[in-house]
Amino acid sequence: NAGVMQNPRHLVRRRGQEARLRCSPMKGHSHVYWYRQLPEEGLKFMVYLQKENIIDESGMPKERFSAEFPKEGPSILRIQQVVRGDSAAYFCASSPSSGGARETQYFGPGTRLLVL
Amino acid sequence: AQSVSQHNHHVILSEAASLELGCNYSYGGTVNLFWYVQYPGQHLQLLLKYFSGDPLVKGIKGFEAEFIKSKFSFNLRKPSVQWSDTAEYFCAVNDAGTYKYIFGTGTRLKVLA
Repeated sequence: NAGVMQNPRHLVRRRGQEARLRCSPMKGHSHVYWYRQLPEEGLKFMVYLQKENIIDESGMPKERFSAEFPKEGPSILRIQQVVRGDSAAYFCASSPSSGGARETQYFGPGTRLLVL
Repeated sequence: AQSVSQHNHHVILSEAASLELGCNYSYGGTVNLFWYVQYPGQHLQLLLKYFSGDPLVKGIKGFEAEFIKSKFSFNLRKPSVQWSDTAEYFCAVNDAGTYKYIFGTGTRLKVLA
């Protein structure tokens, strides 16, 4: 039973380019969460999605960042016009059903983004 | 706002030593508590979790944690560590009414063979 898959595992971009991070949840999971870990900090919630819906994007930066979870295919976190401050590890998690507080979230290995 | 503190950023132990990693949180309401581990190159794995009931929680790989409500703490313990426990350990909490996890900064544990 495959876990949460993220790709790429490492991504290098130059300032001004776009970064696209992909997350495939565990089989049977319909809830996806994205977290960001800046250097020397803990993971911080960014966005919560269900299939075709953004449920909560309260942790997303107001500009340049967007997320989607289409009916088919992986969830995508998109960062436009990257800046050096976007360099971080981006983790995706998924949960099976209600997405409630007691739902265990299963994490992927993360994508490490480096902006030059 | 909620926050989680992990005071030990780096810990080095010899095999068979006992381990205790501190975790304190700030939130006055009901919380759910978690410890995750990330082995080198791997994803975050759930070690154990506490929702309610017995405050002493046993997890996988011989780990346990004790929830002390009066101290807002959820320390992770293992009586005898192994070289394979070398990893980064994250404490996380969420408000019992929400799915948003708040993570600590992590503790990097290195166990010397």
